[in-house]
Amino acid sequence: EPEVTQTPSHQVTQMGQEVILRCVPISNHLYFYWYRQILGQKVEFLVSFYNNEISEKSEIFDDQFSVERPDGSNFTLKIRSTKLEDSAMYFCASRWREGNSHGELFFGEGSRLTVL
Amino acid sequence: KQEVTQIPAALSVPEGENLVLNCSFTDSAIYNLQWFRQDPGKGLTSLLLIQSSQREQTSGRLNASLDKSSGRSTLYIAASQPGDSATYLCAVNGAGNNRKLIWGLGTSLAVNP
Repeated sequence: EPEVTQTPSHQVTQMGQEVILRCVPISNHLYFYWYRQILGQKVEFLVSFYNNEISEKSEIFDDQFSVERPDGSNFTLKIRSTKLEDSAMYFCASRWREGNSHGELFFGEGSRLTVL
Repeated sequence: KQEVTQIPAALSVPEGENLVLNCSFTDSAIYNLQWFRQDPGKGLTSLLLIQSSQREQTSGRLNASLDKSSGRSTLYIAASQPGDSATYLCAVNGAGNNRKLIWGLGTSLAVNP
């Protein structure tokens, strides 16, 4: 069964360092998302991406964050200068068009980011 | 602004019990609602998706219902097993084009053998 894959599964970094989290969405999906979950808190929407551009972003997604789809398969989240409060589990998700899947989102296993 | 609340926050039951998890949302203008399972430190596994036009969906021992007008959904788990122990998350998919999910905090379920 097709699945969303994320790497790395866990990354530890020093405050101020740049981090890139990688995702390979399901191959025929068109819409891509990043969510994050700080320990003990709700899952939060960060950004949605369609047709090679950001379609919506949350207040969390400030200038320190960026997303890219550099080729036909990868979808990346970059954090330019990490802060302690960026420590969280980051989830990538993707979906197909409405009519085929009723808007169901499929999630990866997550990338745990620890900022020291 | 859409808010999603899940009750109870935690639940501990003996094996074999039938149980109900509750999810409520403040804005009834939703496209669909998804229930997820999350094991500790792990990813998000989709369990059931209910379209706004549907009343319920079933998968094995799981049954999810939706009452959009009252802003409520329930997840019913029949004959619970220790392997069902996890956190169950409810997420509402808005009516906007981007289909972003708004999440509840989850119900942490422990099924004791």
